[in-house]
Amino acid sequence: DGGITQSPKYLFRKEGQNVTLSCEQNLNHDAMYWYRQDPGQGLRLIYYSQIVNDFQKGDIAEGYSVSREKKESFPLTVTSAQKNPTAFYLCASSITTGATIQETQYFGPGTRLLVL
Amino acid sequence: DQQVKQNSPSLSVQEGRISILNCDYTNSMFDYFLWYKKYPAEGPTFLISISSIKDKNEDGRFTVFLNKSAKHLSLHIVPSQPGDSAVYFCAVHPPGTYKYIFGTGTRLKVLA
Repeated sequence: DGGITQSPKYLFRKEGQNVTLSCEQNLNHDAMYWYRQDPGQGLRLIYYSQIVNDFQKGDIAEGYSVSREKKESFPLTVTSAQKNPTAFYLCASSITTGATIQETQYFGPGTRLLVL
Repeated sequence: DQQVKQNSPSLSVQEGRISILNCDYTNSMFDYFLWYKKYPAEGPTFLISISSIKDKNEDGRFTVFLNKSAKHLSLHIVPSQPGDSAVYFCAVHPPGTYKYIFGTGTRLKVLA
């Protein structure tokens, strides 16, 4: 059964701590994405990756880092430089065709990050 | 500056009536438009899409309309059902990119 999994469902971060959110997909999609959702706001793009070993900053990349060593995996690290990390984080993937994406993005169930 | 706006943060509709959700965008070059539905604490799920070469796409109770001259996208749900209660996001695709730009969402509540 193909899909996107995110773990953990809830994550707590202490002051000054880095935390990593996991995202795995078995859809064989080339492109993967991380979004952040805050109350009353839309989905804001943090980072995206078109292909393995390549990724680009989105609109709100400061305080975050990513890696794309495998096609199936796109972990997001929330660093201590991110001063307001409390949010709902969503991972997505999509098919790509040439220089653009095709069709829709498929989303994981999300991770809620809370600061202690 | 927001490129995609959903100006109504919430909407309440009686069961069986039509729900109309609206989305405005700024760039006439966007070539693909989508609607997603999102329940609390879950990821969005794809609902319906439309290419910029069309002005209407229908899938069961859901119809998306695209008015390119007005840079306006709308989603019609008829008849509305209580299970349709969710947050609806519109998204647009800038051509030649690997990303979508999302609106801020509209919370739909269908009253039984």
